[in-house]
Amino acid sequence: GAVVSQHPSRVICKSGTSVKIECRSLDFQATTMFWYRQFPKQSLMLMATSNEGSKATYEQGVEKDKFLINHASLTLSTLTVTSAHPEDSSFYICSARSPLAPTPAYNSEQFFGPGTRLTVL
Amino acid sequence: SQQGEEDPQALSIQEGENATMNCSYKTSINNLQWYRQNSGRGLVHLILIRSNEREKHSGRLRVTLDTSKKSSSLLITASRAADTASYFCATDENRDDKIIFGKGTRLHILP
Repeated sequence: GAVVSQHPSRVICKSGTSVKIECRSLDFQATTMFWYRQFPKQSLMLMATSNEGSKATYEQGVEKDKFLINHASLTLSTLTVTSAHPEDSSFYICSARSPLAPTPAYNSEQFFGPGTRLTVL
Repeated sequence: SQQGEEDPQALSIQEGENATMNCSYKTSINNLQWYRQNSGRGLVHLILIRSNEREKHSGRLRVTLDTSKKSSSLLITASRAADTASYFCATDENRDDKIIFGKGTRLHILP
């Protein structure tokens, strides 16, 4: 199947700093990528949908000015956690929809990155 | 938002036994997927079942889908220690492009 990578896999930062997480589709072009957040022992919560060449669509309750998403190319989406605080510590996972899906309405499996564990001190 | 509700939240069984997890959802869907996640790791896609399918098999996995009841089940036969993980169902809520995950079932296989 298609491969999605994330970088870094783990990051520790001080409170107040910004952290950028990269999500890349390695062997296919992804016009749409998704960002999820997962707190310990909880499920994945969708944060936003990242569309190549346009603004991201954020889920209710997710601050777009705090979680900046840039999908500058068909293989790269970035999530920047600005002015990070300890409560932002979480596992961030991106995914890209399979290129085999013929239309957005006929969704196929999504390929997930390995995740980035963010710890804010 | 959260679409699926897994049942049970946690399950411990002896190695070799079968494990059954259930998932219920709320809206119409095009498909439902099951994923596995080992502790602190990424997701592994297990199986996708489309709304016009009722049952699907993959190795030791059997998935059923009942769209009239808006529910699905995942059966793992002859469980192994390596099956210890969290299992999530995920659906395309309202047949949208995005996938919404259920709360998950934590499965523990006892040696």
